[in-house]
Amino acid sequence: DTGVSQNPRHKITKRGQNVTFRCDPISEHNRLYWYRQTLGQGPEFLTYFQNEAQLEKSRLLSDRFSAERPKGSFSTLEIQRTEQGDSAMYLCASAGGGDNQPQHFGDGTRLSIL
Amino acid sequence: KNQVEQSPQSLIILEGKNCTLQCNYTVSPFSNLRWYKQDTGRGPVSLTIMTFSENTKSNGRYTATLDADTKQSSLHITASQLSDSASYICVVSARGGYQKVTFGTGTKLQVIP
Repeated sequence: DTGVSQNPRHKITKRGQNVTFRCDPISEHNRLYWYRQTLGQGPEFLTYFQNEAQLEKSRLLSDRFSAERPKGSFSTLEIQRTEQGDSAMYLCASAGGGDNQPQHFGDGTRLSIL
Repeated sequence: KNQVEQSPQSLIILEGKNCTLQCNYTVSPFSNLRWYKQDTGRGPVSLTIMTFSENTKSNGRYTATLDADTKQSSLHITASQLSDSASYICVVSARGGYQKVTFGTGTKLQVIP
């Protein structure tokens, strides 16, 4: 399968714990995006990488959130000191070429905070 | 404020029937509009993407239209199948950086036999 891969698919943790999610994009794609989606809502943009450079961050991305893409390939999203409100689906997408190229989404990591 | 509104919020149709989903937006300056299909528990899958100069685009049984003057788009599904049951999300991008992407909340379509 050469699509976008996200791990883990599900994560259950206690409030206050740190969690880290991984995204492996389609190999030739230089653009990588993270989104958050809550039930019944559309995805909300979190951050965007072009190669290893983090070019944009949403105001939704508080200082408890950090994302990296160290070698311009896979990316990680870490949430420190998790809160109940962090419970959501975290989606990763990748794209190649220009702005009008479609984004290919992974199936997300569903985070549940107890 | 950039907004994307979709209607209806949910829809139930019989297998084999056609349906049309609506998307109204206030995003400016407009760059492109995309329709995605999202199955429950899965990531969205791109169906169509249209720029300012395009007013229709097809992908199999899916046909999207765009009226940039009235800032409206529609997604028409022909001869619906049970596998069309999903949420359909309209996404509008403004020029000037990725912060300016606005997602609709989606239309939840259920196709019943």
